[in-house]
Amino acid sequence: KAGVTQTPRYLIKTRGQQVTLSCSPISGHRSVSWYQQTPGQGLQFLFEYFSETQRNKGNFPGRFSGRQFSNSRSEMNVSTLELGDSALYLCASSNPGAEEQYFGPGTRLTVT
Amino acid sequence: AQKITQTQPGMFVQEKEAVTLDCTYDTSDPSYGLFWYKQPSSGEMIFLIYQGSYDQQNATEGRYSLNFQKARKSANLVISASQLGDSAMYFCAMSGLGQGAQKLVFGQGTRLTINP
Repeated sequence: KAGVTQTPRYLIKTRGQQVTLSCSPISGHRSVSWYQQTPGQGLQFLFEYFSETQRNKGNFPGRFSGRQFSNSRSEMNVSTLELGDSALYLCASSNPGAEEQYFGPGTRLTVT
Repeated sequence: AQKITQTQPGMFVQEKEAVTLDCTYDTSDPSYGLFWYKQPSSGEMIFLIYQGSYDQQNATEGRYSLNFQKARKSANLVISASQLGDSAMYFCAMSGLGQGAQKLVFGQGTRLTINP
């Protein structure tokens, strides 16, 4: 079975721009979660989608948004990028009823 | 609110030795899950082991075991017979159960280095 895939793997953007990151979960997984990892704040939960609905949300400003499609693929969008948004963005998928989440390789976003 | 504390920023261990990575947690939830993930330099988080708060026995997965002491709110990871490939960052995490199960709260991590 293919693992979680994330595109692109690396991205450089300018402050003020917006960015869209994509995540394809493991086949059959319907829950997709997003995390931000920075050296200062560590790993922080952004949001979780299940059956195209946002089910959980972390403590991030409204500039961070996401969605999930009917095939369970998910995208997250960050508008009006700030320097502090530079981070590794990780996506994870899980099976209903299972506890563990399986992570993708991440998208490393650099904002200049 | 849930909180995870990992007090060891870095650890150095000789190959083939056993190693214990510390993790303490705090939560007011009656039910919760505890996890350990490994993050090599490539960045991908690798699931290692899971312990449910109501599980009576400590979880084991191959060379990994979780030493769960509920009264002390600790969930230490034990790696037996360490290997060079075990060098990585290790994160302890917790979640609620049910619909909150996908919201993981992570500790700051421990960087483990295995010396030949």
